[in-house]
Amino acid sequence: EIVLTQSPATLSLSPGERATLSCRASQSVSSYLAWYQQKPGQAPRLLIYDASNRATGIPARFSGSGSGTDFTLTISSLEPEDFAVYYCQQRSNWPSTTFGPGTKVDIK
Amino acid sequence: QVQLVQSGAEVKKPGSSVKVSCKASGGTFSSYAISWVRQAPGQGLEWMGRIIPILGIANYAQKFQGRVTITADKSTSTAYMELSSLRSEDTAVYYCARDSTNYYDSSGYLDYWGQGTLVTVSS
Repeated sequence: EIVLTQSPATLSLSPGERATLSCRASQSVSSYLAWYQQKPGQAPRLLIYDASNRATGIPARFSGSGSGTDFTLTISSLEPEDFAVYYCQQRSNWPSTTFGPGTKVDIK
Repeated sequence: QVQLVQSGAEVKKPGSSVKVSCKASGGTFSSYAISWVRQAPGQGLEWMGRIIPILGIANYAQKFQGRVTITADKSTSTAYMELSSLRSEDTAVYYCARDSTNYYDSSGYLDYWGQGTLVTVSS
């Protein structure tokens, strides 16, 4: 099973700051990686797929990069609604998939 | 607009089974795979399996093989997830979610999600 590791576990930032979240895979997943945002009491929301493509309706301040085993989600300037937990997901061996443990972005 | 509406919260005894439903509206139900993902309290996301309604084919995560059954009823645009031999560790919110691409090019990325169903396993 491909294991995803996310860092840091928690990121404390202020609105307007830049957020950089990391996701590392235990083996290459090519570009088959997605990012989701989840707020308390809500279902996850797809932000980025295939490492760098924004999903429909996702603001341009969200961007993804990487390939192989190392990936990054960047939020260029944090808005109040961006404070949430972010998960990465790999689908390189679909129909099997795994998620990372999540990074919580909270208000400093 | 695609909507997935799940059945209500359940409380089950250890060793019993639970069946959660997920009714879709606003899209072409049969042509998109539906996955089930669970989230234990305060924990991350765990994929359990998926079904392609138009084909009636289901795939399961190895961890749940033999204990989970995912089905779909095309006539009512509803997917079901049944989990048996419940134990306390199965206490979680269970989500259904739709694949972002059509079944013949299934991506595994999930763009529409149900509201979640809390299943509590307790004696």
